[in-house]
Amino acid sequence: KNQVEQSPQSLIILEGKNCTLQCNYTVSPFSNLRWYKQDTGRGPVSLTIMTFSENTKSNGRYTATLDADTKQSSLHITASQLSDSASYICVVSDYTGTASKLTFGTGTRLQVTL
Amino acid sequence: NAGVTQTPKFRVLKTGQSMTLLCAQDMNHEYMYWYRQDPGMGLRLIHYSVGEGTTAKGEVPDGYNVSRLKKQNFLLGLESAAPSQTSVYFCASRYSNQPQHFGDGTRLSIL
Repeated sequence: KNQVEQSPQSLIILEGKNCTLQCNYTVSPFSNLRWYKQDTGRGPVSLTIMTFSENTKSNGRYTATLDADTKQSSLHITASQLSDSASYICVVSDYTGTASKLTFGTGTRLQVTL
Repeated sequence: NAGVTQTPKFRVLKTGQSMTLLCAQDMNHEYMYWYRQDPGMGLRLIHYSVGEGTTAKGEVPDGYNVSRLKKQNFLLGLESAAPSQTSVYFCASRYSNQPQHFGDGTRLSIL
């Protein structure tokens, strides 16, 4: 069964600090991995999408890494801001040749404080 | 450009009542999806559509029906609501292999 596990479940950091969120997956066959940001009371918004051949992808202060060999990904947030407070969801897509299926992680809830 | 719009935003139902959740997108996307999000669980796919007039079952389809009569609209129906269907429902749409665009959800409570 395809699974996506994220850690930590929750995290509190001071504004201006960096943090790294982890995602481990067992999805086969692998197609791509996405990170989404979900603000409280809102729908998820895509941050990055990486395919098998991509190791790193940045979107402003967000940098995602992918190690397809160990089936791990991380999302690094630099110089955190109060607006970064949200849940961050790792999503892995498989592809069987006819259709793709997404497996969602349960998310890491990040709180940035003063 | 509104993106993906879900109505209503909140609703409280009694067990056994029926209702329809509406999802509308203005991006001319072919693919549309309905998910539910429950505490401690990842988003789970209920039904999806790959184009106007087509629908397919997802991971947790029981107790739900859908229709896609127009390309821009995807309706999710609960024929006889049950407390286990209390959840936050998200609609999403996408174009080709691009990431999905999500609406802001419908919070549904069934008493």
